[in-house]
Amino acid sequence: GAVVSQHPSWVICKSGTSVKIECRSLDFQATTMFWYRQFPKQSLMLMATSNEGSKATYEQGVEKDKFLINHASLTLSTLTVTSAHPEDSSFYICSARDYSNQPQHFGDGTRLSIL
Amino acid sequence: QKEVEQDPGPLSVPEGAIVSLNCTYSNSAFQYFMWYRQYSRKGPELLMYTYSSGNKEDGRFTAQVDKSSKYISLFIRDSQPSDSATYLCAMSAEKNTGFQKLVFGTGTRLLVSP
Repeated sequence: GAVVSQHPSWVICKSGTSVKIECRSLDFQATTMFWYRQFPKQSLMLMATSNEGSKATYEQGVEKDKFLINHASLTLSTLTVTSAHPEDSSFYICSARDYSNQPQHFGDGTRLSIL
Repeated sequence: QKEVEQDPGPLSVPEGAIVSLNCTYSNSAFQYFMWYRQYSRKGPELLMYTYSSGNKEDGRFTAQVDKSSKYISLFIRDSQPSDSATYLCAMSAEKNTGFQKLVFGTGTRLLVSP
């Protein structure tokens, strides 16, 4: 149980394009989803928290107009990196939890490479 | 000073060894403590979680929390090559939603040789 699926697993695109990453909870209702970024040999850094049907809460230093998050249903959240640049290249990971007080479960991440 | 400190390793051990992985932290408000395992190019997988101080055992894994020392450990008995991965500790201070906002260590890379 508690499976989180993330798609795509790897994307390469040109600078200036927008990229959408999907995060789905397959066997539970995710009332809260989280988006993290992980640079090589560094910690996971929380970017934003989203509750179903509400606007996302962004961490300090994360541009909300650049990283658009939508959590329209209890099983799907999307992260869109708008006008991506090489410095946005990173490993983006989502996680999800349901209404119970249980730990977050993570997807397998999306490796984003901006040329 | 980082809120959570974790030795990045790598930690190399022979198969069958007992492995000890540790994290220290500075925020005394942390109450929930987790250990995740992350294979290369994969997302973290939850191994164990504990609330407050004490020990918790699950198969070959034992988690210990010493809040007085702000120190947590994960022990792996009879380590296997398949245990080779990066182990991340994570903590949260949230009271009512204990796992809402996690603070992660950088991870310790473990290599178990056959």
